Amino acid sequence: GAVVSQHPSRVICKSGTSVKIECRSLDFQATTMFWYRQFPKQSLMLMATSNEGSKATYEQGVEKDKFLINHASLTLSTLTVTSAHPEDSSFYICSARADSTEAFFGQGTRLTVV
Amino acid sequence: SQQGEEDPQALSIQEGENATMNCSYKTSINNLQWYRQNSGRGLVHLILIRSNEREKHSGRLRVTLDTSKKSSSLLITASRAADTASYFCATDRGTYKYIFGTGTRLKVLA
Repeated sequence: GAVVSQHPSRVICKSGTSVKIECRSLDFQATTMFWYRQFPKQSLMLMATSNEGSKATYEQGVEKDKFLINHASLTLSTLTVTSAHPEDSSFYICSARADSTEAFFGQGTRLTVV
Repeated sequence: SQQGEEDPQALSIQEGENATMNCSYKTSINNLQWYRQNSGRGLVHLILIRSNEREKHSGRLRVTLDTSKKSSSLLITASRAADTASYFCATDRGTYKYIFGTGTRLKVLA
């Protein structure tokens, strides 16, 4: 199957700082990427959808100014958590798909804001 | 609710026994995937089953799909302690936006 890589796998940042998470499709061109969030002991919830070269579409209740998504190339999408607070601590995971294929998931990034 | 439902929420079995987890969803789907997640770790893809398929196997895993009942099941045979994890189903309606189930926490006792 296709490989989607996230970096970093774990990150700790101070409250008030911003942190960037990268999602890369390693062996295919991803026309669309998706970002999910998982709170402790809960399931994954879709945050936003990004298409290469256009603005991301956010799900209801997700603050677009808080979670900045950039999909600048067909192999890279980034999620920046701005002015992070402890309540942003969560597991963030991306998925990516090429045209007419299933979406494949990255391994996820665990963010801890202290 | 965005989420599908899985049952049981938690399952505890002895090593060597079989474990069955069920997933129900609300709308017609294109495909359904099962994932495993060890505590504090990322997702591990197990099996993808398409809407025109009824059953798939992968090693000790068997997945069934009943589109008329909007449900799927994951069977792990001859379970091992290393199978201890949370298991999620994720459905795609053709938009590639996967909707995840609530998950089943499986504990296999040695």
